[in-house]
Amino acid sequence: EADIYQTPRYLVIGTGKKITLECSQTMGHDKMYWYQQDPGMELHLIHYSYGVNSTEKGDLSSESTVSRIRTEHFPLTLESARPSHTSQYLCASSEPGPGSGEQYFGPGTRLTVT
Amino acid sequence: AQSVTQLGSHVSVSEGALVLLRCNYSSSVPPYLFWYVQYPNQGLQLLLKYTTGATLVKGINGFEAEFKKSETSFHLTKPSAHMSDAAEYFCAVDGGSNQGGKLIFGQGTELSVKP
Repeated sequence: EADIYQTPRYLVIGTGKKITLECSQTMGHDKMYWYQQDPGMELHLIHYSYGVNSTEKGDLSSESTVSRIRTEHFPLTLESARPSHTSQYLCASSEPGPGSGEQYFGPGTRLTVT
Repeated sequence: AQSVTQLGSHVSVSEGALVLLRCNYSSSVPPYLFWYVQYPNQGLQLLLKYTTGATLVKGINGFEAEFKKSETSFHLTKPSAHMSDAAEYFCAVDGGSNQGGKLIFGQGTELSVKP
């Protein structure tokens, strides 16, 4: 059973607030990813990590930051939320290897910035 | 660089009819290919994947896809649609080792099933 968790599931917050979206997985996967997805739209990779202390920016520029202090935990932070950050954020993880293999997704966090 | 194109952002079928969702890819290396399904307000769930071997791949919920190298296609099919199949479907290709093992996703196809 693939277990990857995201909290909160829904968040409504005012402009200028600092927020952290949590993502945890219990599968021991080294690779983890954050995607941004607008309703009915494709996924855009915004951050990824190959393991502890490894973080890389993805294909879509994002004002968010990530950290990877523990294998199982990959939080995403917005220092000052803006309405343009309103979106769904999906976290995923995958097993090690030359390719990504199957990615396991969390349920997502739907963020609304007012 | 790898890329994925899904033909048709929205497909509508009647219950019991054939489902065909189209996916074409470009890849400079033998690709790993995936189909994911996303139900409303949920994350993505793997339907099936092609890595090597048999080109006809069977997945969950009665879906299957065929890898056709000559056509650079990986279309998703299901013989008989069910109301519960209504969802968003994403085709993806492995970006390869020079892409850090990232998945490249298509823009998605929303499947509607009419009673």
